[in-house]
Amino acid sequence: DVKVTQSSRYLVKRTGEKVFLECVQDMDHENMFWYRQDPGLGLRLIYFSYDVKMKEKGDIPEGYSVSREKKERFSLILESASTNQTSMYLCASSRSPDTQYFGPGTRLTVL
Amino acid sequence: GENVEQHPSTLSVQEGDSAVIKCTYSDSASNYFPWYKQELGKRPQLIIDIRSNVGEKKDQRIAVTLNKTAKHFSLHITETQPEDSAVYFCAARPSQGGKLIFGQGTELSVKP
Repeated sequence: DVKVTQSSRYLVKRTGEKVFLECVQDMDHENMFWYRQDPGLGLRLIYFSYDVKMKEKGDIPEGYSVSREKKERFSLILESASTNQTSMYLCASSRSPDTQYFGPGTRLTVL
Repeated sequence: GENVEQHPSTLSVQEGDSAVIKCTYSDSASNYFPWYKQELGKRPQLIIDIRSNVGEKKDQRIAVTLNKTAKHFSLHITETQPEDSAVYFCAARPSQGGKLIFGQGTELSVKP
């Protein structure tokens, strides 16, 4: 059974703080993805990675960066959090080009 | 790049009725079209998918149809039940790579 976990279910941060969201998968998947989910906007791709140390920009990369030092772990970094980054963040992984499996999500609130 | 439009944004049906959700895509080279269901407070989960060399696929009460010429695909749920209530997302995969482009989501409510 595929397992994708995220470090926090809920997170509250202040404007200007550096925020780390961690995602870990246990199925040796090559691909990992970070999305944000906002009502009426669906799932929007922030960044993705096809392999260790590789990253590609998605549709809304501004204000975010990522790190993939190990195959199983993909981190999303908000260098200086802003209130418009308050959202639900979902991580996913896949064995290319197959089904994406999602983590439980992190609801981030930036005050 | 690929763009996916999903309609309607909300859908309310009576238990036992059918529900249809439609998506259109822009990139004619897209070749894989999954549908995800997200129950309240839970993660999205794949419920059915279709590849570009197939026109229709069924799995019990759910089916997906693909019209490549018109660049649209639809999810059909028959004999709806209250547990079908959820947000449904369609997606399309452009020909290169494994990333998916998602639609805006449809909130389906099945009333007993």
